[in-house]
Amino acid sequence: QTVVTQEASFSVSPGGTVTLTCALASGSVSAGYYPSWYQQTPGQAPRTLIYSTNTRSSGVPDRFSGSILGNKAALTITGAQADDESDYYCVLYMPSGFWVFGGGTRLTVL
Amino acid sequence: EVQLVESGGVVVHPGGSLRLSCAVSGFNFDAYTMHWVRQAPGKGLEWVSLISWDAVRTNYALSVRGRFTISRDNSKNSLYLHMNSLRTEDTALYFCAKAPTSYSGSWVPMDVWGQGTTVTVSS
Repeated sequence: QTVVTQEASFSVSPGGTVTLTCALASGSVSAGYYPSWYQQTPGQAPRTLIYSTNTRSSGVPDRFSGSILGNKAALTITGAQADDESDYYCVLYMPSGFWVFGGGTRLTVL
Repeated sequence: EVQLVESGGVVVHPGGSLRLSCAVSGFNFDAYTMHWVRQAPGKGLEWVSLISWDAVRTNYALSVRGRFTISRDNSKNSLYLHMNSLRTEDTALYFCAKAPTSYSGSWVPMDVWGQGTTVTVSS
């Protein structure tokens, strides 16, 4: 069973910067895992932020950026705003041809 | 405008079958890989299945492999998920989603999402 791990929760101050990470329980995340990031608020469909490590989806502001940091995929949010308060999910593409989501990070802006 | 509209979610007994549909508009459906993703009540996202733009390649999460079948009808701009031997743990909101780039393989993720359809498996 492939396990993808994310921080359970994180908090950031308004205007601040936060980096969320996405890791494999065993092994390193690289661009070959095509890491992607999604934002979801309660009762809503997910919104795509980043795909293939660092490509912003259409309409996503450049406050959101993706990267590989060390052995993890990362989502960095700069200039945090109140409406950034959401759940954030990463997903990785496995060599066997299937995708695995992380458990999600609940971001609080306060 | 790109739109994806899921339908077919109902209450079904354990062991039952169901077919979900996803009707799309606003893009060349036959050029894009498509995914199904689900979310159990109060839980995170779980990838379920994908089908390539030409229907040559499909893949499934281990939790549904052998019970669910993904298909598409490019002439009807529609994606389907055939669900058999349903279990209580299949209860979830099911989303369809399109890949971000055309004529790509299974390494392209979800980009634009529908609003979902709810499947409840209960006796």
